Amino acid sequence: DAGVIQSPRHEVTEMGQEVTLRCKPISGHDYLFWYRQTMMRGLELLIYFNNNVPIDDSGMPEDRFSAKMPNASFSTLKIQPSEPRDSAVYFCASNRQFQETQYFGPGTRLLVL
Amino acid sequence: ILNVEQSPQSLHVQEGDSTNFTCSFPSSNFYALHWYRWETAKSPEALFVMTLNGDEKKKGRISATLNTKEGYSYLYIKGSQPEDSATYLCARGGGADGLTFGKGTHLIIQP
Repeated sequence: DAGVIQSPRHEVTEMGQEVTLRCKPISGHDYLFWYRQTMMRGLELLIYFNNNVPIDDSGMPEDRFSAKMPNASFSTLKIQPSEPRDSAVYFCASNRQFQETQYFGPGTRLLVL
Repeated sequence: ILNVEQSPQSLHVQEGDSTNFTCSFPSSNFYALHWYRWETAKSPEALFVMTLNGDEKKKGRISATLNTKEGYSYLYIKGSQPEDSATYLCARGGGADGLTFGKGTHLIIQP
């Protein structure tokens, strides 16, 4: 298996622009997690899905953030409008069962100018 | 302890020396304790998953122990090598939130 795939790997955008991050989980994994990593807060869980259904989005910082999972092999995290404080590395992870090891993608490094 | 806490935050170790660091976590509603190794510019990779009090896991020169009653886990590295330089994350599984990650111990092995 190719592992968790994320795109783009790097994104530089201007404040106010819409940003869409993409994730393809490992085939057969029922859970998908979106994390944000910053120096100050470490790795924060934003939202997770089970069988394509959002279960807990309490970590999503603001209404500017939204996530979807239209099918078992694809998820998006959208920021609209983006702000400089959104600059971070965004990771997607997946696993078969909720409490088991999560397999992380390579991350998307976002810089909002 | 309400959150997952790791100490020290960073650590410089001479090549060849052994070292260890700590993960502390809430012991209530505990399900599992995970250790990940995270190299710069890469994604976290799983090292160990432990579930039972007294569990010990080993992979090469790296080992980990678990005490679920008092809520801590130790990670040991024997005979540190430069390639061991990384951030070591622990994560607690329990409750409805999936894994709760600590902020990591940043380990630098000096040749």
